[in-house]
Amino acid sequence: AQSVAQPEDQVNVAEGNPLTVKCTYSVSGNPYLFWYVQYPNRGLQFLLKYITGDNLVKGSYGFEAEFNKSQTSFHLKKPSALVSDSALYFCAVRDSHSLGGGADGLTFGKGTHLIIQP
Amino acid sequence: DTEVTQTPKHLVMGMTNKKSLKCEQHMGHRAMYWYKQKAKKPPELMFVYSYEKLSINESVPSRFSPECPNSSLLNLHLHALQPEDSALYLCASSQDSFPDNEQFFGPGTRLTVL
Repeated sequence: AQSVAQPEDQVNVAEGNPLTVKCTYSVSGNPYLFWYVQYPNRGLQFLLKYITGDNLVKGSYGFEAEFNKSQTSFHLKKPSALVSDSALYFCAVRDSHSLGGGADGLTFGKGTHLIIQP
Repeated sequence: DTEVTQTPKHLVMGMTNKKSLKCEQHMGHRAMYWYKQKAKKPPELMFVYSYEKLSINESVPSRFSPECPNSSLLNLHLHALQPEDSALYLCASSQDSFPDNEQFFGPGTRLTVL
């Protein structure tokens, strides 16, 4: 089974400061990890993913995430926050054992509200 | 075209109605998904189609009936829904259903069951 934990319901950051949104995961095989962002009354937008290779992954809108296998974490980061970054952020995982149409789909964390204050 | 489109944007229906949600993508993706999202909750997977065949059905009640007429279209037929089925229904697609592929989401259909 696969699971994702986002320990913070809400993160508040001042504009221009660095931000971190936390995510930890649990899988039986190797993890495929994703970050999505959702603006109010909208669908989810893909930000970035980790499949293999370099632990630091760069994505859309200046976001990046660091994969840490020993801590089973995949925290989302941005060096300088913008007010427009305010949204709901979801971490998601799929297990490498989910081979094309297998039993496990994409599992999401509960989401973290990111609020950037001007 | 890198969009997933969904119609209608909003739907209000009674418990005895029959309605359908539609989803379309023209990215050549061979996997398509339906998710249900309640307010302030993460999306929950309902169905997965891979190469136009239903591959995952997450124990969804039979009042929800998916259909994949071709590789670009995905429908969700609704019948005899309950008020607790009110939610945002999201469609997504990916290159195929292998786990390393990111999914592209549509804007969703906001469903209200009276």
